[in-house]
Amino acid sequence: EVKLLDSGGGLVQPGGSLRLSCAASGFTFNDYAMGWVRQAPGKGLEWVSTISAGGGSTYHADSAKGRFTISRDNSKNTLSLQLNSLRAEDTAVYYCAKFRYSGGTFFDYWGLGTLVTVSS
Amino acid sequence: DIQMTQSPSTLSASIGDRVTITCRASQNLNNWLAWYQQKPGKAPNLLIYKASSLESGVPSRFSGSGSGTEFTLTISSLQPDDFATYYCQQYHSYPYTFGQGTKLEIK
Repeated sequence: EVKLLDSGGGLVQPGGSLRLSCAASGFTFNDYAMGWVRQAPGKGLEWVSTISAGGGSTYHADSAKGRFTISRDNSKNTLSLQLNSLRAEDTAVYYCAKFRYSGGTFFDYWGLGTLVTVSS
Repeated sequence: DIQMTQSPSTLSASIGDRVTITCRASQNLNNWLAWYQQKPGKAPNLLIYKASSLESGVPSRFSGSGSGTEFTLTISSLQPDDFATYYCQQYHSYPYTFGQGTKLEIK
């Protein structure tokens, strides 16, 4: 059974940093690209970042470029998202998600999410 | 960036109704489109991928259709468990983008 356990969220002041983690199990982690999607309170879903299976390629939304860094440790089956220079508009539930490749790549499993609140 | 527009934003329906949600893309997606269901306080759940492929374990009352820039999600006979918010998402190219969501409410 695929399991994704997000953690690391919390309350942080504007300009601060936070590191989110996602512990994966139930599949061969280093075979799959992974990503992060966020959802601001009462709002829709927003893709944030993607990392390839081997970690050599990453993609970030414009809202994340220069501030967020996605990484993975395939030896520990762990995905991370480093959040720097946080702003109030970054307040959201952050979900880690696994990709499946079937022609194109789409999210097939999601973590439960971890809440990041940026406020003074 | 590819813009995704869902309609309606809210849909009121009754148990047993057939409902359709539409998703329009600003560019041809070559069918690289997925549909997700999300219930309050929960993570999204994959329903449909590649526009019309039903995810394993998803009830057959859910179906997806369309091509190019216009897609639909149909629920053939609404069940109590189906009242939720539905999102379409394109995975044709980065940045991946979602529709704004359709909230399906009980009439």
